[in-house]
Amino acid sequence: QSALTQPPSASGSPGQSVTISCTGTNSDVGGYDYVSWYQQHPGKAPKLMIYEVSQRPSGVPDRFSGSKSGNTASLTVSGLQAEDEADYYCSSYAGGNNYVVFGGGTKLTVL
Amino acid sequence: QVQLQESGPGLVKPSETLSLTCTVSGGSISRDYWSWIRQPPGKGLEWIGYIHYSGSTNYKPSLKSRVTMSVDTSKNQFSLKLSSVTAADTAVYYCARVTTIAALGYWGQGTLVAVSS
Repeated sequence: QSALTQPPSASGSPGQSVTISCTGTNSDVGGYDYVSWYQQHPGKAPKLMIYEVSQRPSGVPDRFSGSKSGNTASLTVSGLQAEDEADYYCSSYAGGNNYVVFGGGTKLTVL
Repeated sequence: QVQLQESGPGLVKPSETLSLTCTVSGGSISRDYWSWIRQPPGKGLEWIGYIHYSGSTNYKPSLKSRVTMSVDTSKNQFSLKLSSVTAADTAVYYCARVTTIAALGYWGQGTLVAVSS
């Protein structure tokens, strides 16, 4: 069982927006502003899309945005494109020896 | 552009030790923290631990008794050893660079390690 809870699936049509949630506790998501989001296409390594809740690494389209409220973080993908279809994982700093905890992943389908 | 490449046996027998190496190119290992993550087939990601180039480490508590990480700055490599493996340790193992706190900005392509007799 993953430390962070994500919905197993999400979907949207091209051009639409979709939001994926990531729920943790006061010991991880709610306690620190160190939430990251990763995109993983089949057979590929994960790619960092968001770090520190809402920061985008260089090269990540601004269609991807992150936010946090309390113990729940969210990833929003706006203007959905076919290439956005992938698995998305959230992670959070959890302090001490539990440095990084992951969510179980959400499969995003572009209809 | 930093690149990472995992290497090691693709098959390990139960109760033996899994050994993997990550070679870093395009940058020096003598900065930042470096991490190992694994993903069982069809499942989610699991952080295993990290190592600093100085040699300091931090392991996931549930794996701590079986994990050893080391770094070789002369070869720009860091390594993972996981002892007493079982079928539950079958996974794609990734190495990655920690770019900011708890964020993994660069990943290797991953290597599948199967535990089977």
